[in-house]
Order: sequence, then structure tokens, then C-alpha cells
Amino acid sequence: SQQGEEDPQALSIQEGENATMNCSYKTSINNLQWYRQNSGRGLVHLILIRSNEREKHSGRLRVTLDTSKKSSSLLITASRAADTASYFCATLQAGNMLTFGGGTRLMVKP
Amino acid sequence: EAQVTQNPRYLITVTGKKLTVTCSQNMNHEYMSWYRQDPGLGLRQIYYSMNVEVTDKGDVPEGYKVSRKEKRNFPLILESPSPNQTSLYFCASSYGQGGGYTFGSGTRLTVV
Repeated sequence: SQQGEEDPQALSIQEGENATMNCSYKTSINNLQWYRQNSGRGLVHLILIRSNEREKHSGRLRVTLDTSKKSSSLLITASRAADTASYFCATLQAGNMLTFGGGTRLMVKP
Repeated sequence: EAQVTQNPRYLITVTGKKLTVTCSQNMNHEYMSWYRQDPGLGLRQIYYSMNVEVTDKGDVPEGYKVSRKEKRNFPLILESPSPNQTSLYFCASSYGQGGGYTFGSGTRLTVV
């Protein structure tokens, strides 16, 4: 069963613009993680935010977490063509079950 | 280089012919996991392991077996593959509970 659901499913922007992706989940979590996947390749871990954190930054990435709304957002600032990929949120629950959402396909046009 | 290595990258097989997809990590990670990725269904966990000789079912374990005899290896076994197991498979590992996972490059399996 999918724990997380991303929104939007697809996003197309111009280079230089910001991209925001949202993730909602259903049950309590230990942490929430974001991953990137280039077409058909393995997933790459981007950032992890713990359940007691509200915001985290890493380079051009900013992640927020609202546990009361069971939602998270990933913001990519000043996007580049190389950011074109699918982005997944994943929630870590008890027993180290990491459950993924359906992903957001981001296209950044040069 | 720290990595998770899966083999093979591509495999076409026939229904019922037993196969094994190997997974090895060189990071001394305790946690390892197998996922399958299908269009429209996202990534679903098949099995995971928290340490040697400790394995547990994920969301879609039917038709699969795993073993964890050594810390670095976590093979996925399909005893009698069927066409509905055609998918893209990923192995992943993590240093411990709560950490991010490192993924392998994937194995694209086709069962005809």
C-alpha cells in the first residue's frame, strides 16, 4: 500500500524557476525522505527530515514537514535542466519500513 | 566507492525457471531491502532485512524469497517466475534505522 502521495504527478517549468512538490501521508512516521530518480535508474537519496523537525535545507533544496497535516513539501530553487527527473517522498515507519509515494515527474526546460 | 551492486542489469526468462538476482553492498550496512517498481504503482517493498538472518515481508512478498546469510549480500530468489513478476527491481541498503537508503542501479526483469 502506498503511504505517500505526491502532488502534482507532473510538473513542467523553465530553467531558473522554482519547483515545489508536495507529499501527503497517512500514518505516523519516524522520518520522511526525498529521493530523485533519473529515467529507469536507481533512486538517489536527497534529504531526510525527522518527525520532530519542521524545515531542512540542503543546497538548493528546502524541505518542510507538517506532522499535524501529515504533509511535506520539497522546493527546488533556481532549477536547472539537470534537475529533470522523478522525485519521490518516502516515509519511514516502525520496523524500518520505507514506503514510497507515486512520485512527481519534473521537467525543467532550458 | 560506496555502492550497492545488483546483477544482472537485464534479464529475460521463461515462466517457471528459477532465478536469483544478486545484491551486494560494501558499506557494512545493517538494513537491506528489495523493491519492485511498476508504472502507475510506484515502488513497493518486497522484503527487507534488519541484519544477518533477520528478514521480514514487505508489501508484496508473494512469489519471492530472500536470504541474508552474510551482512553484505541480500539475494532475491524467484522460485517459479510468472509474467506478473515482470518489473524493474531495486535493492537498497541503509546503515541503520532512520537513515537514508543507497539504491542499486536496478534489474529489469522480463518473464515470458
